[in-house]
Amino acid sequence: QQPVQSPQAVILREGEDAVINCSSSKALYSVHWYRQKHGEAPVFLMILLKGGEQKGHEKISASFNEKKQQSSLYLTASQLSYSGTYFCGTDAGNNRKLIWGLGTSLAVNP
Amino acid sequence: DAGVTQSPTHLIKTRGQQVTLRCSPKSGHDTVSWYQQALGQGPQFIFQYYEEEERQRGNFPDRFSGHQFPNYSSELNVNALLLGDSALYLCASSLDSGWSIYNEQFFGPGTRLTVL
Repeated sequence: QQPVQSPQAVILREGEDAVINCSSSKALYSVHWYRQKHGEAPVFLMILLKGGEQKGHEKISASFNEKKQQSSLYLTASQLSYSGTYFCGTDAGNNRKLIWGLGTSLAVNP
Repeated sequence: DAGVTQSPTHLIKTRGQQVTLRCSPKSGHDTVSWYQQALGQGPQFIFQYYEEEERQRGNFPDRFSGHQFPNYSSELNVNALLLGDSALYLCASSLDSGWSIYNEQFFGPGTRLTVL
């Protein structure tokens, strides 16, 4: 089941904050976040594992609520470089494949 | 380190033809995953190769096949091309740790396939 991302699109001014959500109808084992700039390959941001372990960049924060089967990515004090499409990939465990959401388009303006 | 490389960059084919896309993983990586990304969509998992074998597969027909070579590079083959196969094909590599999905994937720039 494809995870649902919200919102679909966000427009920010530099310095503003944003939250991107990713929810699934299935129990999740891990959630992966990637950012893709137009015409470029996706770039890894963070992995959140069931049980609380996280792997990712220090400047990016995220949460993973296992009971609610959802994750949120927090972008604080946004910079122009944050612009792009953010994808979450979810894994229901024991199958080694990620199911990706449709993405959230984020535009940061000066 | 060259990172993940893919070839060709762009490709134009006609319906019914066959295509082969190539991927070289990041140095030190042994696992290669292939994704199809249609315009405005998220990546769709095609399959993953590890130790020259297909380890996991997404919901793609048998027209999509692949191969991994001893040097960990990989090919994606698509037979009997359909218009709907037009997309960006991404290759991602990672280092298997027994459960490689939990390791960061490094994506290549992709191959843009257009089927006319």
